[in-house]
Amino acid sequence: DIVLTQSPLSLPVTPGEPASISCRSSQSLLNSNADNCLAWYLQKPGQSPQLLIYLGSNRASGVPDRISGSGSGTDFTLRISRVEADDVGVYYCMQPLHTPWTFGQGTKVEIK
Amino acid sequence: QVQLVESGGGVVQPGRSLRLSCAASGFTFRSFAMHWVRQAPGNGLEWVAAISFDGSDRYYADSLKGRFIVSRDNFKNTLFLQMNSLGAEDTSRYYCARETGSSLDYWGQGTLVTVSS
Repeated sequence: DIVLTQSPLSLPVTPGEPASISCRSSQSLLNSNADNCLAWYLQKPGQSPQLLIYLGSNRASGVPDRISGSGSGTDFTLRISRVEADDVGVYYCMQPLHTPWTFGQGTKVEIK
Repeated sequence: QVQLVESGGGVVQPGRSLRLSCAASGFTFRSFAMHWVRQAPGNGLEWVAAISFDGSDRYYADSLKGRFIVSRDNFKNTLFLQMNSLGAEDTSRYYCARETGSSLDYWGQGTLVTVSS
């Protein structure tokens, strides 16, 4: 199985400041089309996960451009350029390349 | 708008069975593969199972050891998860989600399953 390792696991942030989360895969997530098969989700307190980023760097509908994804192969990063109070929650990376699909452990983002 | 509504959760004794349902609306259900993902209290997300758009292919997490069966009814726009021989380790909120090929783009609110005597 592909193992996704996120860091940090806890991230205190200051509103208006940038933040970033790393996701490292035990195997390359490049498919035969040279797409990076990595998605990012945010699970706000008491809610279901919501899709933020797919194929490594594509924003889902309605996701603000201050949230971005980057990386290739085995190393990926989610960046928030200016953190807002509404960004708190747990962020997960997920790989849809190989069954079983797997998630990272999650990174809890909270306001300082 | 896309809606996924899970039902069928509850408290069940160890060793018993339970069937979850996920009613889909707002999109052409028969055109999309569907997944189940679960989340134990206070824990992260765990992929459980997936089924192709027409039900011909099914995939499961190895940890389930053949106890769960995913199915769908494309006439009733409903996804199912039959869970057998339940144990305490199956206590979780179970979410259904729609697959796009490269992500799970819509998720339901989940249904809570508690395995307890």
